[in-house]
Amino acid sequence: ETGVTQTPRHLVMGMTNKKSLKCEQHLGHNAMYWYKQSAKKPLELMFVYNFKEQTENNSVPSRFSPECPNSSHLFLHLHTLQPEDSALYLCASSQDRGGVDTQYFGPGTRLTVL
Amino acid sequence: GEDVEQSLFLSVREGDSSVINCTYTDSSSTYLYWYKQEPGAGLQLLTYIFSNMDMKQDQRLTVLLNKKDKHLSLRIADTQTGDSAIYFCAETDMDSSYKLIFGSGTRLLVRP
Repeated sequence: ETGVTQTPRHLVMGMTNKKSLKCEQHLGHNAMYWYKQSAKKPLELMFVYNFKEQTENNSVPSRFSPECPNSSHLFLHLHTLQPEDSALYLCASSQDRGGVDTQYFGPGTRLTVL
Repeated sequence: GEDVEQSLFLSVREGDSSVINCTYTDSSSTYLYWYKQEPGAGLQLLTYIFSNMDMKQDQRLTVLLNKKDKHLSLRIADTQTGDSAIYFCAETDMDSSYKLIFGSGTRLLVRP
C-alpha cells in the first residue's frame, strides 16, 4: 500500500464510450502524474500537475483530458479512444521539493479499448 | 534526447545474487532510481542514488554508479522467489527534477 489509490482497477470500453479514471493520494503531496504503460514500451509520462496547475502535457492526444480539482485527486477523462490506447494507466504523486522527488505509484488501471 | 537502456530478462537461482544493469545518456541527471513492479501492481520505489555517490547499500540491495560510463547497476543479494518482478531504472530529466525517464524494464525470474 503506497498511499495512492486508483479506480477502477480494470476497465473495458468501446471506442464511442466516455469514461473516467480516478486517482487519490493520501500522502499530502503536491504533485500528481499520469503515466501510460504499454507492452514492450518504456513508461510514458502523460501529464503532470503541481499544486493543481498542469505543468506538463507530453503531446498527449486530446481524447485524453486530465482534471485536478485539488492536490489529492486526479482524473483522466477518456472519450473516443482507439484500440492502441489499451494499456496500464498509472498515477503517481510526489512532494516537489526541488531535490529528490520520489514518486509513489498507484496500482494502475488496466484499460482495454474494443 | 535522454535514453535509458536495460536488458530485458534475467534468470537466477534462488539464493544467488542478481545484478541488473542500466545505461543512461543524461550526464546531468541528479538522481537515479530503481523501481520494482510485481504482476498486477504499480511501481514500487526500491532505492535511489545521488549522482555524486558511487555506491549505496540498503539491506540486500547494492546500487553501483559509474558516472564516467553512465552505468548503473542493482545487485540483489540472496535472491528470493519473491524478488521475481520487473525492475525499472530511471533518471531525472535534464530540464526538470520531477520528470523521470524510465528504461523498458528487466524481468527477473528467480528459479527455486
